[in-house]
Amino acid sequence: AQSVTQPDIHITVSEGASLELRCNYSYGATPYLFWYVQSPGQGLQLLLKYFSGDTLVQGIKGFEAEFKRSQSSFNLRKPSVHWSDAAEYFCAVATTSGTYKYIFGTGTRLKVLA
Amino acid sequence: KAGVTQTPRYLIKTRGQQVTLSCSPISGHRSVSWYQQTPGQGLQFLFEYFSETQRNKGNFPGRFSGRQFSNSRSEMNVSTLELGDSALYLCASSLITDTQYFGPGTRLTVL
Repeated sequence: AQSVTQPDIHITVSEGASLELRCNYSYGATPYLFWYVQSPGQGLQLLLKYFSGDTLVQGIKGFEAEFKRSQSSFNLRKPSVHWSDAAEYFCAVATTSGTYKYIFGTGTRLKVLA
Repeated sequence: KAGVTQTPRYLIKTRGQQVTLSCSPISGHRSVSWYQQTPGQGLQFLFEYFSETQRNKGNFPGRFSGRQFSNSRSEMNVSTLELGDSALYLCASSLITDTQYFGPGTRLTVL
């Protein structure tokens, strides 16, 4: 069965430090991959997506993610975190064969220290 | 282009009542999906509608139902509300089957 794992429930970083949020998926084919961010009480905002092509994708707010097929991973990175990046981050996989389905990870809550 | 809108944003109901939530997708988008988000269960898929037909369904009881109109607007209904139905209900739209764009959600509190 398809699944998405975000191993870190909480991450705390200092403002200005680099950030990497992990995401691993289980799916037989190459899925569509997404990262979303959610501020408290709000909906999810799309940060970036990967469908095919260059495995390093750039998103909004200075985020990037790298698809590694051999590791079934799609980790999110940012070189320098800002206090406004504090939020919850969700990795998602969309299946590309059969019935189209979106599967979300359980989220990683990011805290930024001033 | 306007984003996904959901109404109402907040709702308080009592056990046993029923509720209807509304979602207007981005103009031109034909697929609308609904999710329930709770602290304990995370984001759980309810169902997806495409061109007025339910195309996918999650693992929720029959008390949860939905529909989509010819203008792609969608409603979801929950009958006989239970305390455990308190959650943020999120709607997402997509053009066909690719990127989902989310609305701000409806916060439902069941007392």
